[in-house]
Amino acid sequence: DNVLTQSPDTLSLSPGERATLSCRASQSVSSNYLAWYQQKPGQAPRLLIYDASSRATGIPDRFSGSGSGTDFTLTISRLEPEDFAVYYCQQYGRSPITFGQGTRLE
Amino acid sequence: EVQLLESGGDLVQPGGSLRLSCAASGFSFSKSPMTWVRQAPGKGLEWVSAISGSGGSTYSADFVKGRFTISRDNSKNTLYLQMNSLRAEDTALYFCAKGNAGAAMRWYFDLWGRGTLVTVSS
Repeated sequence: DNVLTQSPDTLSLSPGERATLSCRASQSVSSNYLAWYQQKPGQAPRLLIYDASSRATGIPDRFSGSGSGTDFTLTISRLEPEDFAVYYCQQYGRSPITFGQGTRLE
Repeated sequence: EVQLLESGGDLVQPGGSLRLSCAASGFSFSKSPMTWVRQAPGKGLEWVSAISGSGGSTYSADFVKGRFTISRDNSKNTLYLQMNSLRAEDTALYFCAKGNAGAAMRWYFDLWGRGTLVTVSS
């Protein structure tokens, strides 16, 4: 399986600051098939980024994704109060589909 | 309205069975691959099983093979997960989600339901 390791586990920042979240794969992610999701307490995950760098419909442009191969990054340029949540990466380049363990942004 | 609504979660004894349902609306269900993803209490997301739009191809994580079966009824816009031989470690919130129209198992998930809770305990 392609194991995804996210870092840090917890990121403590303030509104207005820049957030950088990392996702590292144990094997190269084929065609950069990597997605990012946001999950708030008691809610379903929400797709933010797919294909490593494409924003999903309705996602603000302060969210951006980058990376290739085994190293990927989600950047939130200026944190808004509603951005504090848990973020997961997911690879879909190789079966089985796998998720990272999550980064809590507080 | 575009939405997914899961149901069927319950408290069940170890070794028991349960069938989850996911009712879809507002999009072309028969053209959409679908998946089940679970989340144990306080834990992260774990992919469980997926199915192509036609239902002709199914895929499952190793830890549920032989125990869980994914299926769909496109005439009813409904996805199912039949869960047998349940174990305590299957306790989780089970989400259904819609996949993008990509190649088989090259799917990210752009619409999620709110989940249904399965608790396996004696």
